[in-house]
Amino acid sequence: SQQGEEDPQALSIQEGENATMNCSYKTSINNLQWYRQNSGRGLVHLILIRSNEREKHSGRLRVTLDTSKKSSSLLITASRAADTASYFCATDARETSGSRLTFGEGTQLTVNP
Amino acid sequence: DGGITQSPKYLFRKEGQNVTLSCEQNLNHDAMYWYRQDPGQGLRLIYYSQIVNDFQKGDIAEGYSVSREKKESFPLTVTSAQKNPTAFYLCASTQGNGYTFGSGTRLTVV
Repeated sequence: SQQGEEDPQALSIQEGENATMNCSYKTSINNLQWYRQNSGRGLVHLILIRSNEREKHSGRLRVTLDTSKKSSSLLITASRAADTASYFCATDARETSGSRLTFGEGTQLTVNP
Repeated sequence: DGGITQSPKYLFRKEGQNVTLSCEQNLNHDAMYWYRQDPGQGLRLIYYSQIVNDFQKGDIAEGYSVSREKKESFPLTVTSAQKNPTAFYLCASTQGNGYTFGSGTRLTVV
């Protein structure tokens, strides 16, 4: 079952603008992670935010987590054409059988030069 | 460099055949995972293994089988019981802080 839902499904912006992607989920989580996927490639881990954290930064990335609303957002500042990719949120509910990530369907980001 | 190697990159299967996708990691990670991705979709979990000689079904395990005889290796067999196997298959591993993914195997039924 797909736990996370990203919004929007697709986003097109100009280079230099900021891009914001949102993720909602349904059950309690231990952490939430964001990944990037270039077309036809594997996923690359961007950032992990734990359930007791509210905001995290990594370079041009800023992630927020609101556990009361079961939602997260990923902000990419000063976007570049090279940021063009699909971005996925994934939730780790850490079941008794161990860690397992459940992915949303992703946001396709296009940054126009 | 440490990482995950998936092979082959492209695989063609005839109807009724079983095929095995390879996944090898040299990261010394305990946990390994297999995901399936269909065009324009997110990833769905097929099987996962937290430790050698143990594995659990994910959300879409029917028609697939796995083994975990070595820590480094987690092969996935797509059996003839899987009715719609054409997809992009991704292997991943973790030691707790984010997953490392392989570059994927694209399987096509011909």
